[in-house]
Amino acid sequence: DAGVIQSPRHEVTEMGQEVTLRCKPISGHDYLFWYRQTMMRGLELLIYFNNNVPIDDSGMPEDRFSAKMPNASFSTLKIQPSEPRDSAVYFCASSLRRAPAFFGQGTRLTVV
Amino acid sequence: SQELEQSPQSLIVQEGKNLTINCTSSKTLYGLYWYKQKYGEGLIFLMMLQKGGEEKSHEKITAKLDEKKQQSSLHITASQPSHAGIYLCGAYNNDMRFGAGTRLTVKP
Repeated sequence: DAGVIQSPRHEVTEMGQEVTLRCKPISGHDYLFWYRQTMMRGLELLIYFNNNVPIDDSGMPEDRFSAKMPNASFSTLKIQPSEPRDSAVYFCASSLRRAPAFFGQGTRLTVV
Repeated sequence: SQELEQSPQSLIVQEGKNLTINCTSSKTLYGLYWYKQKYGEGLIFLMMLQKGGEEKSHEKITAKLDEKKQQSSLHITASQPSHAGIYLCGAYNNDMRFGAGTRLTVKP
């Protein structure tokens, strides 16, 4: 398996634009997590899915953030409209039950 | 939610020296995971500990889980520059959360 695949690796966008981050989890994994990492706040859990169903989105900072998982092999995290304070590295991770989560390489988002 | 506190926040050691990183949980640990991250990259899974008193090793890295103390430690023996990076502990409650990380620098 190629591991968790995220795209794009880097994204630079202007404030107010819509940003969509994509994730393909490891085949067969039933949990999918979206995290955000910044120097100030470390690694924060935004939302997680179990069997494609959102379980807890209490970490999503604002209504500008939304996440979907239309099927077991794909998830998106959308920010609309984007703001400079959204600049961070966004990670997607997947796991099988409570086995260790495996992370993608992340998307480095810069909002100018 | 479960809070994980790591210490120290950062560590600078001379190559060849031993070091220990600690992770303390605010709740009972049912499983603890150690990860390593290099700058600009994703987290790499190192080890998983599930039982009180469990100890695991991978090359020169050893991790222990003390369930009674809700604590885990990660020990590196004879550190090398390749060990440099950020070490994070993670734990499952209903979801998977992480400590703030320990940044390790190994000076050659």
